Amino acid sequence: DTGVSQDPRHKITKRGQNVTFRCDPISEHNRLYWYRQTLGQGPEFLTYFQNEAQLEKSRLLSDRFSAERPKGSFSTLEIQRTEQGDSAMYLCASSLAGHETQYFGPGTRLLVL
Amino acid sequence: DAKTTQPTSMDCAEGRAANLPCNHSTISGNEYVYWYRQIHSQGPQYIIHGLKNNETNEMASLIITEDRKSSTLILPHATLRDTAVYYCIVRVSGGSQGNLIFGKGTKLSVKP
Repeated sequence: DTGVSQDPRHKITKRGQNVTFRCDPISEHNRLYWYRQTLGQGPEFLTYFQNEAQLEKSRLLSDRFSAERPKGSFSTLEIQRTEQGDSAMYLCASSLAGHETQYFGPGTRLLVL
Repeated sequence: DAKTTQPTSMDCAEGRAANLPCNHSTISGNEYVYWYRQIHSQGPQYIIHGLKNNETNEMASLIITEDRKSSTLILPHATLRDTAVYYCIVRVSGGSQGNLIFGKGTKLSVKP
């Protein structure tokens, strides 16, 4: 399967713990995006990278959230000191600059107890 | 906020065409119309996009009005597996803008 992959698919954690999610984009895609989706809502943009550069961050991305894409390939999204309000589906997408169709992964569903 | 307006829900009989409308009255000349769908508990799936001409691919057809203020996504022969939330999004193609702005979409229920 050459699509976008995300790991883990599900994560249950206790409030206050740190969690890290990984996204592997489609191999030739140089843009990578993170979104968050809560129940009953459409996905909301968090941040995006072009190669290793983080070009845009949403106001939703509080200082407890950090995203990296060190070698311009896979990306990680870390949430520190998780809160119950962080419970959501975290989606990753990738695209090729100049061809703006974004292809999404299956998402990581986070539950903070 | 999303720049599109869609009905909250629609029903369609299996085997019939599903026509999903979208209003985007403030669309700019350089903005494309994109359609994605999201089947329960999965990531959004790209369906089709267009600028001003009608488009067709193996999944669907996209009809854009001449004034570009509205569009319709057509699934020609809906199946039960087409039950999903369908999102209509307008955005500039290319450039530095990254994100897609999703609204709440239309929940399409295909019934046997």
